[in-house]
Amino acid sequence: QQPVQSPQAVILREGEDAVINCSSSKALYSVHWYRQKHGEAPVFLMILLKGGEQKGHEKISASFNEKKQQSSLYLTASQLSYSGTYFCGTESERDDKIIFGKGTRLHILP
Amino acid sequence: EAQVTQNPRYLITVTGKKLTVTCSQNMNHEYMSWYRQDPGLGLRQIYYSMNVEVTDKGDVPEGYKVSRKEKRNFPLILESPSPNQTSLYFCASSSFTSTGELFFGEGSRLTVL
Repeated sequence: QQPVQSPQAVILREGEDAVINCSSSKALYSVHWYRQKHGEAPVFLMILLKGGEQKGHEKISASFNEKKQQSSLYLTASQLSYSGTYFCGTESERDDKIIFGKGTRLHILP
Repeated sequence: EAQVTQNPRYLITVTGKKLTVTCSQNMNHEYMSWYRQDPGLGLRQIYYSMNVEVTDKGDVPEGYKVSRKEKRNFPLILESPSPNQTSLYFCASSSFTSTGELFFGEGSRLTVL
């Protein structure tokens, strides 16, 4: 089952913050986050492992709540370059598949 | 340069005409996978492979075949394409010994008439 992402889409002005959520019904081993620009391949942002620390990448960070099987991606002081579709990918403890959510479209206005 | 290469990048074909989309990676990755991307549905996994001669079904394997005879190559085969296989296809690979990051190819846009 695909993880559920929310919101489906969000429009922000440059400098505002955003949170994208990812929720799974399975016990998770890891959560991946990727960003895809229109017409391009998805690009890796970060991975969070069960029992690991919260990850950060410049102004983009993420958390992983293992008890709730949820992850959140935080984008602070958003920049125009942050526009795109964000996907979470989850890997359960039982298999080696990486299953992606349907994505969250983020549009940053100047 | 480390990369995942897919061919063809664009293809228009007709129903029933067998085709193969090739995928090759030069990073000695063990894990390779195929995804299809359709509007509103995200990336759905078709097949994946943990290593040479080891393949397994993803969530949408019907109508597709794969093989992993060499570590670097993971071709996707459509034996008898149908219009519902019109989609954007991505191949990806990763290493078990690194961060787990998936490296994606540039994508192959397939249209089946």
